[in-house]
Amino acid sequence: DGGITQSPKYLFRKEGQNVTLSCEQNLNHDAMYWYRQDPGQGLRLIYYSQIVNDFQKGDIAEGYSVSREKKESFPLTVTSAQKNPTAFYLCATSETGYSNQPQHFGDGTRLSIL
Amino acid sequence: ILNVEQSPQSLHVQEGDSTNFTCSFPSSNFYALHWYRWETAKSPEALFVMTLNGDEKKKGRISATLNTKEGYSYLYIKGSQPEDSATYLCAFLNAGGTSYGKLTFGQGTILTVHP
Repeated sequence: DGGITQSPKYLFRKEGQNVTLSCEQNLNHDAMYWYRQDPGQGLRLIYYSQIVNDFQKGDIAEGYSVSREKKESFPLTVTSAQKNPTAFYLCATSETGYSNQPQHFGDGTRLSIL
Repeated sequence: ILNVEQSPQSLHVQEGDSTNFTCSFPSSNFYALHWYRWETAKSPEALFVMTLNGDEKKKGRISATLNTKEGYSYLYIKGSQPEDSATYLCAFLNAGGTSYGKLTFGQGTILTVHP
């Protein structure tokens, strides 16, 4: 989706290191989300934010942290506490947080352990 | 965590065939059901958002139906084309939750259309 930019496309993490995945949007959407995809599984929600300066834990928040200081940006930090971080990470937005609105996705970041 | 099941897991059809697959979700506390198409090397794209029992949505050759009482949705593709090859995801929102827009995704149906 051209309005959502995730970077980098590929990221490598060393043991004990924190890494931050970037998600920027120019769609003027209020809500933003982070999902994780593992092989053979559906997308799982890590964190979401319905509005600036507010965010909530999803189903698998342990070992991750986020911030939402600006409407356009929702970075995800994978901390050293996340013992199995190797996965594909997708950022998404929706116009508001209401469930009758579709989500729009970025191209994803693939994180691997060195 | 809610259970959303999609079947079949993968499907191979010939160009021109019509096909359909299923998304099953809890029938209680239904709020919304989303369908997305995810092509290789691209990002997921929204197809439909369905909120009412009996809803039918259509987009070109793709259509979807919704039965909230029995907890399933069907996605149909008429006259499949190779460009329809993708993973089709459904996602469910339970009204019993405390958060808006918090979707639970199925694992997807991988469709391959052979020319």
